[in-house]
Amino acid sequence: GDSVTQMEGPVTLSEEAFLTINCTYTATGYPSLFWYVQYPGEGLQLLLKATKADDKGSNKGFEATYRKETTSFHLEKGSVQVSDSAVYFCALSDGFSGGYNKLIFGAGTRLAVHP
Amino acid sequence: EAGVTQFPSHSVIEKGQTVTLRCDPISGHDNLYWYRRVMGKEIKFLLHFVKESKQDESGMPNNRFLAERTGGTYSTLKVQPAELEDSGVYFCASSQPKQGSNTEAFFGQGTRLTVV
Repeated sequence: GDSVTQMEGPVTLSEEAFLTINCTYTATGYPSLFWYVQYPGEGLQLLLKATKADDKGSNKGFEATYRKETTSFHLEKGSVQVSDSAVYFCALSDGFSGGYNKLIFGAGTRLAVHP
Repeated sequence: EAGVTQFPSHSVIEKGQTVTLRCDPISGHDNLYWYRRVMGKEIKFLLHFVKESKQDESGMPNNRFLAERTGGTYSTLKVQPAELEDSGVYFCASSQPKQGSNTEAFFGQGTRLTVV
């Protein structure tokens, strides 16, 4: 079945460092790919998404490119801030038929950014 | 506009007891989903309602779990009797179907369930 694998955390960085969180997927079809973020004490929020190969999703300085040839969707940010400390989840959905978006998640990567 | 709301935020119960989790979706959202994250592992799909009907319950772990959505508004997820392995964070999400386009699912804060 479809699955998502992301790098284990925690990832600890200093402010203004470069961030990469790796995510690879296995899917039989042509999934849409997502990054969700959970800040402390809050629910999951959609950070960015890409719906087809070579699409780049971006939001709040974060970027991820849908790479079909390597089945990857790595999350990057050029300069992290303390406020980026959160748990990041990579996810896929195998389709949006009728607006139904069942998500398959990775295990999550905790990011801690220190001043 | 209120987001997805879940009650309680935390629950600690003894093995063998019953617990009921509640989810209030965003008003007007027909799709309602339950997910669970166990022991820091991946978040797993449990089931999906469209209005009051169960569209997909393939992720429900066993018959100790019962989900309902009477009237197509809020939903409850009952665990009876609870076992130790049921501990985890239960997330609810809602979305509004829209043919031919992606629809974002909005998540609640989750209910942290601890079975002791």
